[in-house]
Amino acid sequence: EVQLVESGGGLVQPGGSLRLSCAASEFPFSAYWMTWVRQAPGKGLEWVANIKGDGSENYFVDSVKGRFTISRDNAKNSLYLQMNSLRDEDTAVYYCARGYCPSSGCYFRAFDLWGQGTMVTVSS
Amino acid sequence: DIQMTQFPSSVSASVGDRVTITCRASQGLNNWLAWYQQKPGKAPKLLIYETSILQSGVPSRFSGSGSGTDFTLTISSLEPEDVATYYCQQANSFLLTFGPGTKVDI
Repeated sequence: EVQLVESGGGLVQPGGSLRLSCAASEFPFSAYWMTWVRQAPGKGLEWVANIKGDGSENYFVDSVKGRFTISRDNAKNSLYLQMNSLRDEDTAVYYCARGYCPSSGCYFRAFDLWGQGTMVTVSS
Repeated sequence: DIQMTQFPSSVSASVGDRVTITCRASQGLNNWLAWYQQKPGKAPKLLIYETSILQSGVPSRFSGSGSGTDFTLTISSLEPEDVATYYCQQANSFLLTFGPGTKVDI
């Protein structure tokens, strides 16, 4: 089955670190841009970070620059989000999602496959 | 960064009604605009990309249009299963942003 499964969420104190993982199945993972999107409780969606299929490019929302790192291991069909110096406002469900690939190529511009999400709670 | 607004923030309509949601960007998007549907407790689902292209498997009652900074999502005949929150998302730059969402109920 084509799917994404996130893991690694949990409760962490402010200033702490957490590493999220996203396991991809049944599609050519290395061809796709991948992204992390988060959603604070009761709030809307916020894009967090993107990474190109070969890992050569990545981009972040300003609020996490310098604190979060996005990476991937194409041999393991896995995406990661390393989160350091966590703040209360990072509390959210974190989704990984796949960039879409129409016939013209693969892009970061929309996301056609999403995981179920993993909850990160930053609290003392 | 490109800012996105959506209106209305919520809409209540009857089964069979036509529902239109508007999304406005702070600068032109070159048609790099997508729409998502999110039901409570679920991950978002891609409905439309590049302003007007319907994602595979999405019912044809959903359509998208627009250009420049103004875009719309239309549900031509509302069904009970369309109760959800709808988000637009711009992708004119590598720094992506979502609109604040429009809640649709019956």
